[in-house]
Formats: sequence, C-alpha cells, structure tokens
Amino acid sequence: GQQLNQSPQSMFIQEGEDVSMNCTSSSIFNTWLWYKQDPGEGPVLLIALYKAGELTSNGRLTAQFGITRKDSFLNISASIPSDVGIYFCAGLASGTYKYIFGTGTRLKVLA
Amino acid sequence: KAGVTQTPRYLIKTRGQQVTLSCSPISGHRSVSWYQQTPGQGLQFLFEYFSETQRNKGNFPGRFSGRQFSNSRSEMNVSTLELGDSALYLCASSRDQGEKLFFGSGTQLSVL
Repeated sequence: GQQLNQSPQSMFIQEGEDVSMNCTSSSIFNTWLWYKQDPGEGPVLLIALYKAGELTSNGRLTAQFGITRKDSFLNISASIPSDVGIYFCAGLASGTYKYIFGTGTRLKVLA
Repeated sequence: KAGVTQTPRYLIKTRGQQVTLSCSPISGHRSVSWYQQTPGQGLQFLFEYFSETQRNKGNFPGRFSGRQFSNSRSEMNVSTLELGDSALYLCASSRDQGEKLFFGSGTQLSVL
C-alpha cells in the first residue's frame, strides 16, 4: 500500500535536545495529522493541521503544514525520556477520504 | 468521553481458522476505519464504514471483511487465517469522512 516518506527513520537523542522530523509526499494534501505510538498500543493523535503554512503547538510539540502542501514537519523541544516512541504522520490527499500514513520515525531518548 | 474500544486485546489462532474483531467508536462518531500494522509494512488501510456502508476499501484479499451496525460499532472478520495475517489490527473512528482519526489500542493477532 501507499505510504508517505518520513525521515529520519530513527534517531537517538540526549534528554533536553530538540528533535525535528518530517513527512513528504508527491501529492497535495488537505490535512496532516501527527501521532505518537507506544509499543503494543494504538497511535495517539498529537496535532492536526488543515491549512498550508499553519503552525500549531501542543505543549513541547510544534507541527507545521508545508506551504507546498506536500510536506509537514514535527518538532519536539527539550525532549524527555517519555518522548520515546514511534511518531507517524498521516495525510489526506485532495479529493480523497482515505488517510495515508508515513513509515514512522522511531525516537529514543538517552537520559 | 470514552475513547475507541477494541476487543479482544490479544488473540492467538491457528492457520485456517477465522477470527472476528470488534470496535466501538467514540460516541457520536459515525465513521470507522480498520488498519493492519506490521513491522515491515507499517499501517495499511483495510476498509472504512459510515452509516453501515463500506465507503472505502484497501488492497486486501476477500478473506478480510467487515461490517458496521446501526449503533456505529464495527466488526472485522478474517477467514482462513494465514501466518502472514499476524499483526496489530487497529480501529479508528472519526465524526465523518476526512476528519481526525482517533485510534483504539488495537487487537494483537498471532497466527500459529
């Protein structure tokens, strides 16, 4: 099935560092969603974006809807150990009603 | 407001058997989508139901089927299980098509 390109695939960072990840597509999207998933659990919605250029925060998390509408970015500031998990993006292409998911970014935080 | 509830959480089956998974959406949500998640393939869309009608379908064989009831609760069924069907099956609900998806905790299916 179709998936979005998400990078990096995985990253180790020190506690307190900032983290950036992104999602890119060849299609234009109307909606971007960002999720975090812990092992054996379902993804939890972090942020939803609906307009090109939109910048939305949720605590230490900030996400942006790319101005080309083909990408989105997620930043985590001052990471803590509980940020460990897999982060997924999901996009809804123009004219469709089926979300496409990214391949995920696995985050590991070193205390 | 209760979240999306999936039952059972874990299932162990053998090849050739069939299985039924259940999903209760968030109250007021009328759209229910099902996804299969495996380490190698990521999240793959199975199908989506709205008002008891399947509106979208992914590229899975006919052994995978689903339905939605009048109270928006949904079930998915997998017949003639294969080893490759071992996965985390996730249900997500939304108020309507194209709106934010909220996921349940999933059903971990192991086929032996």
